[in-house]
Amino acid sequence: EVQLVESGGGVVRPGGSLRLSCAASGFTFDDHVMSWVRQPPGKGLEWVSGISWSGGRTTYVDSVKGRFTISRDSAKNSLYLEMNSLSAEDTALYYCAKGDYSTYYFDHWGRGTLVAVS
Amino acid sequence: AIQLTQSPSSLSASVGDRVTITCRASQGISTALAWYQQKPGKTPNLLIYEASSLESGVPSRFSGSGSGTDFTLTISSLLPEDFATYYCQQFSTPPYTFGQGTKLGIK
Repeated sequence: EVQLVESGGGVVRPGGSLRLSCAASGFTFDDHVMSWVRQPPGKGLEWVSGISWSGGRTTYVDSVKGRFTISRDSAKNSLYLEMNSLSAEDTALYYCAKGDYSTYYFDHWGRGTLVAVS
Repeated sequence: AIQLTQSPSSLSASVGDRVTITCRASQGISTALAWYQQKPGKTPNLLIYEASSLESGVPSRFSGSGSGTDFTLTISSLLPEDFATYYCQQFSTPPYTFGQGTKLGIK
């Protein structure tokens, strides 16, 4: 069974930093692209960042470029999101999402970790 | 960035109704489109990928069609568990944008 478990969320002051983690299991982690998707309270979904299976290619939505860094550790089957210079607009539930091999649609999602910037 | 516009933003329907939701892309994306269902307090659930392929385990009353810029999600006969919010998402070009969502409520 595929499982994605996010952690690392919390309350942070504007300008602060957080590091989100996603522990993956139940599939061959190295075979799949991964992404972070966020959802502000009561609002829609926003794709934030993606990373190739090797980690060699990363992409970001413009609003987080230069502030967020996505990475992965194949030895730990884990995905990360380093978030700096946080603002109120970054307040959201952050989901870890598994891509379909090299394609960025998402067949499994974690339950999310809440980031509140206040 | 490619923008996805869903219509309607909300609709009310009855059990047994046939419902169609539209997603329009600001530029051509071939068939690189997925549809998700999200119920309150739950994670999104993949329904359709590649515009018309049904994800394993998803009931056959859900179907998708379209290519290029215009896409539709159809629910052939609504069941009570189908009342939820639906999102389209393009995976043609990063950033891999979502539509704003369509909230399907009970009439």
